[in-house]
Amino acid sequence: GDSVTQMEGPVTLSEEAFLTINCTYTATGYPSLFWYVQYPGEGLQLLLKATKADDKGSNKGFEATYRKETTSFHLEKGSVQVSDSAVYFCALSRTQGGSEKLVFGKGMKLTVNP
Amino acid sequence: EAGVAQSPRYKIIEKRQSVAFWCNPISGHATLYWYQQILGQGPKLLIQFQNNGVVDDSQLPKDRFSAERLKGVDSTLKIQPAKLEDSAVYLCASSLARLTYEQYFGPGTRLTVT
Repeated sequence: GDSVTQMEGPVTLSEEAFLTINCTYTATGYPSLFWYVQYPGEGLQLLLKATKADDKGSNKGFEATYRKETTSFHLEKGSVQVSDSAVYFCALSRTQGGSEKLVFGKGMKLTVNP
Repeated sequence: EAGVAQSPRYKIIEKRQSVAFWCNPISGHATLYWYQQILGQGPKLLIQFQNNGVVDDSQLPKDRFSAERLKGVDSTLKIQPAKLEDSAVYLCASSLARLTYEQYFGPGTRLTVT
């Protein structure tokens, strides 16, 4: 079945450091890909998305490119801030049986220190 | 715009007891989801409603879990009787339509079964 694999954390970075969170997926066909973020005490929020190969999603300085050849959707940010401390989830979505299903990775906790 | 509301935020019960969670989706959102998020894992879909009808409950342990969405708005998720392995965060999400990519998540209910 469909699955998402993320690099494991937790990860601690200093402010202004470069961030990469690896994500690879297994799926038949071409799912849509997402990054969700969960700030402390809050619900998951959609950070960015890509719906087809070579699409680049971007938001709040974060970027991820849908790479069909490597089945990857790695999240990057050039300079992290303390406010980026959160748990990041990679997910895929496909339409099945007339409904849409989200499959999540395990999540990676990021802590950014000043 | 008000977000997805959930209550209670925290609940501690003993095994074999029953518990119920409540969710109020964003106004106008026809599709409602319940997810289970066990510590260290990504959310797993339990059940999906379209208005007041069930679209997918293939992952719902129906011997102990039940859910309803009366009048196509609020929803309740019940566990009876609870087991230790039910300890998790229960997330409610909603979206405008069944085939839309963006789901809006509530803050979740953290259940501890002792």
